[in-house]
Amino acid sequence: QSALTQPPSASGSLGQSVTISCTGTSSDVGRYNYVSWYQQHPGKAPKFMIYEVSKRPSGVPDRFSGSKSGNTASLTVSGLQAEDEADYYCSSYTGNNNWVFGGGTKLTIL
Amino acid sequence: QVQLVESGGGVVQPGRSLRLSCAASGFTFSTYGMHWVRQAPGKGLEWVAVIWYDESNKYYADSVKGRFTISRDTSKNMVYLQMNSLRAEDTAVYYCVKWGASRGFDYWGQGSLVIVSS
Repeated sequence: QSALTQPPSASGSLGQSVTISCTGTSSDVGRYNYVSWYQQHPGKAPKFMIYEVSKRPSGVPDRFSGSKSGNTASLTVSGLQAEDEADYYCSSYTGNNNWVFGGGTKLTIL
Repeated sequence: QVQLVESGGGVVQPGRSLRLSCAASGFTFSTYGMHWVRQAPGKGLEWVAVIWYDESNKYYADSVKGRFTISRDTSKNMVYLQMNSLRAEDTAVYYCVKWGASRGFDYWGQGSLVIVSS
């Protein structure tokens, strides 16, 4: 199972919005709505940000939103804040009780 | 609050074995599936294995199939990852992760570093 494809980097200024893409195939992202997103600060464990494509766990700001079109899922961060600078990973169920992650995107706040 | 605490990492020679442990607390352990996810130094996340809430099923990434074994002890709220025939490419931080009712990896441990080197 190949990793999902994410851009290595993304950037945006304080207060602006940025969208990170996550491209899979018709066997994973395109087939299942079990796409989730994780935020990871340096030296820390990942944090659960989005599940089932667009739902937010309790405590996650509504500045974070998710969507999906075909084989590509997206994470949008609106009203960028300094603490949003981190690595972001998408994940998808692939069937047969297997999961796959994206390669990660480093978000830089300009 | 949910806590997952890994232990057992360290430096091991290629071909040898190591067992990671994960102590879970703060939730009804017997009702949730548990995963191991790893992250090589400077690299992305890689799913490794899952064990269902009732131990009835276990699944593995192709990269570790036949070498790694996931298990759990519900009486102790523990999850284990037995790693045999270790290779240099197994070097990573290994995270113990809870699978939520939300169908996402909702809680992560702090990670345990495994270094495979001669």
